[in-house]
Amino acid sequence: EAQVTQNPRYLITVTGKKLTVTCSQNMNHEYMSWYRQDPGLGLRQIYYSMNVEVTDKGDVPEGYKVSRKEKRNFPLILESPSPNQTSLYFCASRTGLGELFFGEGSRLTVL
Amino acid sequence: QKEVEQDPGPLSVPEGAIVSLNCTYSNSAFQYFMWYRQYSRKGPELLMYTYSSGNKEDGRFTAQVDKSSKYISLFIRDSQPSDSATYLCAMTYHGATNKLIFGTGTLLAVQP
Repeated sequence: EAQVTQNPRYLITVTGKKLTVTCSQNMNHEYMSWYRQDPGLGLRQIYYSMNVEVTDKGDVPEGYKVSRKEKRNFPLILESPSPNQTSLYFCASRTGLGELFFGEGSRLTVL
Repeated sequence: QKEVEQDPGPLSVPEGAIVSLNCTYSNSAFQYFMWYRQYSRKGPELLMYTYSSGNKEDGRFTAQVDKSSKYISLFIRDSQPSDSATYLCAMTYHGATNKLIFGTGTLLAVQP
């Protein structure tokens, strides 16, 4: 089954404690991206990757890092999380025709 | 002003009703228009994808684009309780397809 898998689905952490949200896709897509979804603000792009070792900033990259060492994986790293990074995060991969496939989301709370 | 505006709702309709969901946008360069459906506690899934102006129909769903008015619509005929979800419009343009701009979503509830 074609899917994008994110982990963890739910996480509560404290300010400053580094965390990584993993993302893996099994569709051999070159393009992957991360979004955060906040009430009243919708989905906003954090980072995207066109292929292995090729990443670029989206609209809200501050406080986040990404890496793309393998085609299937695109982890999102929060080096020093802060409360304003409390959000619902989605990883997505995209077909050549532009259709985005989203993961089920990771709800992060930073205390 | 946001690039894409979408009424957040909630919109509540009886089963069988025709639903109209809308987005307006400010960037006349947008050429590719999408509608995503997001069920509670799930990721968005693509419903409709249209290029430039005109209508596109898929079963009970019709997407309409009016570039002159910078306005897009999604119509749902014979709405069902299973259509209850948040509907997100999204758009981009040639040369910027890496960055999709989403509306904030409209929450739809179809009452049985």
